[in-house]
Amino acid sequence: GQSLEQPSEVTAVEGAIVQINCTYQTSGFYGLSWYQQHDGGAPTFLSYNALDGLEETGRFSSFLSRSDSYGYLLLQELQMKDSASYFCALWNNNQGGKLIFGQGTELSVKP
Amino acid sequence: DAGVIQSPRHEVTEMGQEVTLRCKPISGHDYLFWYRQTMMRGLELLIYFNNNVPIDDSGMPEDRFSAKMPNASFSTLKIQPSEPRDSAVYFCASSSRIDTEAFFGQGTRLTVV
Repeated sequence: GQSLEQPSEVTAVEGAIVQINCTYQTSGFYGLSWYQQHDGGAPTFLSYNALDGLEETGRFSSFLSRSDSYGYLLLQELQMKDSASYFCALWNNNQGGKLIFGQGTELSVKP
Repeated sequence: DAGVIQSPRHEVTEMGQEVTLRCKPISGHDYLFWYRQTMMRGLELLIYFNNNVPIDDSGMPEDRFSAKMPNASFSTLKIQPSEPRDSAVYFCASSSRIDTEAFFGQGTRLTVV
């Protein structure tokens, strides 16, 4: 099977940098994605790493290391509106491909 | 495109009743996913379709749950009979292909009393 592990919650202050880690176990996958979900809302896509290394999109960056079965989401210049849950997700490459989510990390940004 | 559309947004039903959740994926998307979200279990994948064909339903909790995709623009998730432990937010998502962005609907909040 496959599984993804993330910290359940993280707290940081406005303007700071925070890193949300994700470790995974899988027999094979296409890439690692990150999603954001605000309370009462739908998950929305943030980034995707098909290859090892860093992908940068504005204040958000995502990293993947296949050899370490590890990835992270880096959020810079934190804003209050970044308070949300963040999920890592694997595109599994068995049975045609399915998108499996971690349990999510609740980020609280304090003033 | 209006995005992934789910209906109803909220559903309250009595235990034992049949519940049908509906989803219209984004036009042209070949993949459709049904997820259930609860505090305890997070975002669980229930079933997914590729080109209207169910590929993996291993996440469907039990026989009370069934899903269909009669055509490329419509899918249903049915629970019969419903139980209080089925209370959750059910999301439908679609994607144009594997390894790209999945777009989620706004979800259906189901409460079974």
